[in-house]
Amino acid sequence: DQQVKQNSPSLSVQEGRISILNCDYTNSMFDYFLWYKKYPAEGPTFLISISSIKDKNEDGRFTVFLNKSAKHLSLHIVPSQPGDSAVYFCAASTLNNAGGTSYGKLTFGQGTILTVHP
Amino acid sequence: NAGVTQTPKFQVLKTGQSMTLQCAQDMNHNSMYWYRQDPGMGLRLIYYSASEGTTDKGEVPNGYNVSRLNKREFSLRLESAAPSQTSVYFCASSERFSYNEQFFGPGTRLTVL
Repeated sequence: DQQVKQNSPSLSVQEGRISILNCDYTNSMFDYFLWYKKYPAEGPTFLISISSIKDKNEDGRFTVFLNKSAKHLSLHIVPSQPGDSAVYFCAASTLNNAGGTSYGKLTFGQGTILTVHP
Repeated sequence: NAGVTQTPKFQVLKTGQSMTLQCAQDMNHNSMYWYRQDPGMGLRLIYYSASEGTTDKGEVPNGYNVSRLNKREFSLRLESAAPSQTSVYFCASSERFSYNEQFFGPGTRLTVL
């Protein structure tokens, strides 16, 4: 039972354009969401996060949007750069300690390979 | 400041052999985690240690054991390796449990023949 899904295995974008990576979740107890970026032969690195009390969070070129009613989040990268080419994982957690087995732990999606062409 | 370090980087085992993956962090973090990454599956939590002296099972604990040796170190042991344990293993740490920004090590690529 995949509670966090990234349905696009890959995405190809031209340099300077917008990249939009999508993520869906099923567990209504999730209240904190993160995006991680991973280069080959390295561990994932934290990129940006959002709490369920917000619907948008920005950090430079990166913006995460959360639609709680649709159980959907997306990561926008504007403008995209070749150095953004990597695997992007979304992850979800529950910060409420009444949140059951998802409390405090990250559940990851399958990842989306982003390629930004010069 | 090395962050999270893992040894070894690569390992090949035969079915039935045992080995221990080592992980250490120098950020004075309380919580540590072990994940495996398989194609098309994302990262799945094997075991975690919310604080020194405690360990708990994650999503896929079967075939593994862990030891939180001290605040810095968290090891993962495969007692009798199986081909299904061929994977990339990542260790991570966070300032405290439920503080969700986790810092990851570079990974160990394990092949079981």
